[in-house]
Amino acid sequence: DAGVIQSPRHEVTEMGQEVTLRCKPISGHDYLFWYRQTMMRGLELLIYFNNNVPIDDSGMPEDRFSAKMPNASFSTLKIQPSEPRDSAVYFCASSESGRSIIETQYFGPGTRLLVL
Amino acid sequence: SQKIEQNSEALNIQEGKTATLTCNYTNYSPAYLQWYRQDPGRGPVFLLLIRENEKEKRKERLKVTFDTTLKQSLFHITASQPADSATYLCARPSGSGGYNKLIFGAGTRLAVHP
Repeated sequence: DAGVIQSPRHEVTEMGQEVTLRCKPISGHDYLFWYRQTMMRGLELLIYFNNNVPIDDSGMPEDRFSAKMPNASFSTLKIQPSEPRDSAVYFCASSESGRSIIETQYFGPGTRLLVL
Repeated sequence: SQKIEQNSEALNIQEGKTATLTCNYTNYSPAYLQWYRQDPGRGPVFLLLIRENEKEKRKERLKVTFDTTLKQSLFHITASQPADSATYLCARPSGSGGYNKLIFGAGTRLAVHP
């Protein structure tokens, strides 16, 4: 398996522009997570899905952020309009549920976003 | 709310020595703790998981302990190598209903010098 795939790997945009980050989870995984990582705040969970349904979006900073998962193999995180404080590395991760309650999360390589 | 605290200062050690990283948590003990490794420009990679009822877990040169009295987990790398240089993250489940929701510590950067 290729692992979790994210695109683009780098994104530079200007304040006010719309940004769309994409993620393809590992095939067969039914949980998908979006994280944001900054030096100041570390790795923060933004939202996660189970079987394509958003379960917890309490980490989404504000209405400018939205996430969708139209099918089991694709998810997007959109920021509209973007602001300089959104600059960070955004990670997508996936995991599979099983009989055990303990799941390991598999992270993608991340998208490094810079908003000017 | 649940918190995970890791020493934010970098840990510098000589090759061959044992590196020990600390993870402290607040409130009630989680059912398990996980340790991840993160290299610059990459996503975290899972290393080890230790359950609440396990005192110690080993994997090759790695060892993790879980002390529910001290509310602490220690992560050891024996016979450290320069290739072990990375940031190591500790994570616990949030315990607020979704057991898949992990809370990560800020990570400790380890530098192993030849």
